Amino acid sequence: DGGITQSPKYLFRKEGQNVTLSCEQNLNHDAMYWYRQDPGQGLRLIYYSQIVNDFQKGDIAEGYSVSREKKESFPLTVTSAQKNPTAFYLCASSPRAPGYTFGSGTRLTVV
Amino acid sequence: KQEVTQIPAALSVPEGENLVLNCSFTDSAIYNLQWFRQDPGKGLTSLLLIQSSQREQTSGRLNASLDKSSGRSTLYIAASQPGDSATYLCAPRANNAGNMLTFGGGTRLMVKP
Repeated sequence: DGGITQSPKYLFRKEGQNVTLSCEQNLNHDAMYWYRQDPGQGLRLIYYSQIVNDFQKGDIAEGYSVSREKKESFPLTVTSAQKNPTAFYLCASSPRAPGYTFGSGTRLTVV
Repeated sequence: KQEVTQIPAALSVPEGENLVLNCSFTDSAIYNLQWFRQDPGKGLTSLLLIQSSQREQTSGRLNASLDKSSGRSTLYIAASQPGDSATYLCAPRANNAGNMLTFGGGTRLMVKP
């Protein structure tokens, strides 16, 4: 079955650590996105990529980094510069045509 | 910049009621609008997508309407069931935003048996 896989489902980070969240899709979609969701709030765009080897900052990119070396993969690194990283992170992909598909999310907690 | 507002923020109703969830957006130059469902701790599931040229879309007990000129969309849920309990998010895609969506804060729905 085609879809988006995010891993891990739960992630714990110590203060000052960098952590990387994985997002893989087998839908052959060109575009991929990372969103952050805080409790009781909507989704905010962190980074997006519309083609391999290219990506753009979203509304809240500070403290995050991404890469897009393969069409199928769009990993997100939460760096120590992100002061409040505890949140639910969602990855999505879309074809050139309308319509988004979302992964099941990664819940990141700072301990 | 597109801003999306969803009203009400939370809703609790008895089973069987017909419901209306509202979504308003500030930039009416949209390409399409999607309604999503999110269960607690889960990702988003697409429910309906309305193109800017359409007035409404239907899927089972769900009907979504779009009034682009006034910046409004409505999700109508008929004969609500406890299994409909979830958060519902609307997300318009603006003409000038590539393929990115802007999300509202969602309406948290609870349907009581």
